[in-house]
Amino acid sequence: AQSVTQPDIHITVSEGASLELRCNYSYGATPYLFWYVQSPGQGLQLLLKYFSGDTLVQGIKGFEAEFKRSQSSFNLRKPSVHWSDAAEYFCAVGALNTDKLIFGTGTRLQVFP
Amino acid sequence: EAGVAQSPRYKIIEKRQSVAFWCNPISGHATLYWYQQILGQGPKLLIQFQNNGVVDDSQLPKDRFSAERLKGVDSTLKIQPAKLEDSAVYLCASSPPASGGNTGELFFGEGSRLTVL
Repeated sequence: AQSVTQPDIHITVSEGASLELRCNYSYGATPYLFWYVQSPGQGLQLLLKYFSGDTLVQGIKGFEAEFKRSQSSFNLRKPSVHWSDAAEYFCAVGALNTDKLIFGTGTRLQVFP
Repeated sequence: EAGVAQSPRYKIIEKRQSVAFWCNPISGHATLYWYQQILGQGPKLLIQFQNNGVVDDSQLPKDRFSAERLKGVDSTLKIQPAKLEDSAVYLCASSPPASGGNTGELFFGEGSRLTVL
């Protein structure tokens, strides 16, 4: 069955510290992988996506993610977190030639000054 | 470019009452989605429209939920009668026509938060 696991429900970091949010997926076909961010009271915004090619993808707001097929992972990283990055982050998986996305349960990021 | 518009932003009703949510997608976006996001969970797809036709409604509780997209533009999601477990944020999203398959770029509205008492 298709699924996305985000093991960390809540992460707290200090401003300026590095960040890594974990995402593992289970999908029988070639996965398309996405990270979305949701600020309080807002809809979801696409941060980055992986379809094929270079396994390290760059996104908006200084985020990047690395696809590791052997580990079925697509972890999100940022070298230096800003207070404005506090939000909920969702990993999602889709399949070739469909518009369907399956979302993980999300990781809430809290940033301390 | 205007984003996905949703209304109302907040709604509080008692169980067994009915409620309707409205969504206007980004102009030119053929595909429209309704997602349900229960507190502490990720968004779950309820229904997907391509123009005015239903592509996938397998997760829609059809005994109480209904949705339509007349004329292939805006859409309405209705719940009747509501249950306590329907308390959630209802997110509408749209995506542009894609050649060659999934682009993954869903554009979300701010959501409609429903509280059922």
